[in-house]
Amino acid sequence: GAVVSQHPSWVICKSGTSVKIECRSLDFQATTMFWYRQFPKQSLMLMATSNEGSKATYEQGVEKDKFLINHASLTLSTLTVTSAHPEDSSFYICSAPVTPTNEKLFFGSGTQLSVL
Amino acid sequence: SQQGEEDPQALSIQEGENATMNCSYKTSINNLQWYRQNSGRGLVHLILIRSNEREKHSGRLRVTLDTSKKSSSLLITASRAADTASYFCATDVGNNRLAFGKGNQVVVIP
Repeated sequence: GAVVSQHPSWVICKSGTSVKIECRSLDFQATTMFWYRQFPKQSLMLMATSNEGSKATYEQGVEKDKFLINHASLTLSTLTVTSAHPEDSSFYICSAPVTPTNEKLFFGSGTQLSVL
Repeated sequence: SQQGEEDPQALSIQEGENATMNCSYKTSINNLQWYRQNSGRGLVHLILIRSNEREKHSGRLRVTLDTSKKSSSLLITASRAADTASYFCATDVGNNRLAFGKGNQVVVIP
């Protein structure tokens, strides 16, 4: 099956710093990727749709200046949590469909962010 | 917006038993998907059922869909310890965006 690689797996940072999370499609090209956020023992919340070569589309209530998304190539999307605060601590997961019309998503392994 | 919603149960069953979990949703759908998540990991796609299908099988998985009741169920037969995970249903909310339900945590005791 298609592989989505997410890096890093976990990161600890100080409050006020920025953290970048990478999501790569290893064996397919992803014009679209999705970023989700998950709190412990809760469901996934869709944050934004990352579009290759254009601006990301953010879900209602998600601060685009806080969560910067860049999709500069067909295999890489990045999520940068800017000026992180403890409330940003969460599990962040990216996903991508293997083709634009394919409903099935392949997920990265997630990034656990802890902001001190 | 979150659409798919499971009964937020935690199931604890013995290996070999069947596990059933349910999901309800609110609006019209083209399809409904089930995913599995092992603790601290990403999600793995299990099965997709389209709105014109009532039942679908994949190995030990059986999914039903009742569009009149806006509900779906996932049955795992002859459970194994490796089936221990959280299971989520998801519905398409447009542009291939998926909204996930709350999830069911299943623990299979060897």
